[in-house]
Amino acid sequence: NAGVTQTPKFRVLKTGQSMTLLCAQDMNHEYMYWYRQDPGMGLRLIHYSVGEGTTAKGEVPDGYNVSRLKKQNFLLGLESAAPSQTSVYFCASSIAPGNIQYFGAGTRLSVL
Amino acid sequence: SQQGEEDPQALSIQEGENATMNCSYKTSINNLQWYRQNSGRGLVHLILIRSNEREKHSGRLRVTLDTSKKSSSLLITASRAADTASYFCAQSNSNSGYALNFGKGTSLLVTP
Repeated sequence: NAGVTQTPKFRVLKTGQSMTLLCAQDMNHEYMYWYRQDPGMGLRLIHYSVGEGTTAKGEVPDGYNVSRLKKQNFLLGLESAAPSQTSVYFCASSIAPGNIQYFGAGTRLSVL
Repeated sequence: SQQGEEDPQALSIQEGENATMNCSYKTSINNLQWYRQNSGRGLVHLILIRSNEREKHSGRLRVTLDTSKKSSSLLITASRAADTASYFCAQSNSNSGYALNFGKGTSLLVTP
């Protein structure tokens, strides 16, 4: 049982490049979330989805886009990467609102 | 926004000692959750306590909740070196799909 899988695990980008982070969950969860974590900080919400085909902005959405075309996948896109987007990105899923969230192992992104 | 705040920011103890971490939050909650993060890894759920509960146990973990003071504490008894990690409390935010609001966490170091 894989749980929540994030790809890639590491990535280095140059300023202005684009990329997509993939989150896949095999638990049939409705709710999915993208967070970012910066040094010495807790996690901050970027975007979230309460079901297939739905997405919404979180606390720090600027510079990111998301899509949830399939229930099991939640994609996070950076159209034009900036150094301020250097961070560790975590995806999480939950079966119901307010329930336990299951996290992926994270994607460590550096933007030079 | 970071609704929760953990205290202390860092805690260093020896194996066998107890570790206590505190969490304060700002608004009413349905439940409060504690998560653990090993260095460079994703978050792992430890325990969830509902607003109508005052205390909950799980193995060597004991969580208390005082809704009148908007505070919670996590006690780890008989600490082991393997307990070295960062610990976060989190509350669900109904305004953002029940995403979790995290504080900056308590960094626990348990030395042999």
